Amino acid sequence: DIQMTQSPSSLSASVGDRVTITCRASQSISSYLNWYQQKPGKAPKLLIYAASSLQSGVPSRFSGSGSGTDFTLTISSLQPEDFATYYCQQSYSTPPVTFGQGTRLEIK
Amino acid sequence: EVQLVESGGGLVQPGGSLRLSCAASGFTFSSYWMSWVRQAPGKGLEWVANIKQDGSEKYYVDSVKGRFTISRDNAKNSLYLQMNSLRAEDTAVYYCAREMGGGYCSSTSCYLAGQDYYGMDVWGQGTTVTVSS
Repeated sequence: DIQMTQSPSSLSASVGDRVTITCRASQSISSYLNWYQQKPGKAPKLLIYAASSLQSGVPSRFSGSGSGTDFTLTISSLQPEDFATYYCQQSYSTPPVTFGQGTRLEIK
Repeated sequence: EVQLVESGGGLVQPGGSLRLSCAASGFTFSSYWMSWVRQAPGKGLEWVANIKQDGSEKYYVDSVKGRFTISRDNAKNSLYLQMNSLRAEDTAVYYCAREMGGGYCSSTSCYLAGQDYYGMDVWGQGTTVTVSS
């Protein structure tokens, strides 16, 4: 199974900050990497698919990059509604579908 | 409006059974792979199972193999998860999700992976399963 590891597990930032979250795969997954946002008590929401493609309706301040084993999700200017938990998910080799452990983004 | 609505969760004793349902609307249900994903209290997301458009392929995470069964009824636009021999560690919010992409087929099986798989783009609100005596 492909293991996904996110870093950091949590971080604090301020509105307007630029934030980067990293996801590392245990083996190469080409560009088959997706990012989700989850707010407390809510279902996850797809933000980025295929490493860098923005899902319809997602603000352009979100961007993704990477290939192989190392990937990043960047929020260019944090907004109040962006404070949430973010998950990466590999779609290269399934089953099983595997997620990272999550990165909790908190207000500083 | 594209929508998934789960139901069937509740409190069940260890060793018991429960059947979850997911009603789909606003899209052609029979055209999509579908998945169940769960989230234990305070924990991350864990994929549980998925099923091909016509129900011919089904896959499970190892921890539920032999205990859970995923199924679908395309005529009723519904997805199901039959859960037997439930354990305390199955306690979680269970989400159904629509999968983007058609996957690929080898000579023997079809899989949702690779260049024609783009993640889970529609999620239900979740249904809570609690396994406790």
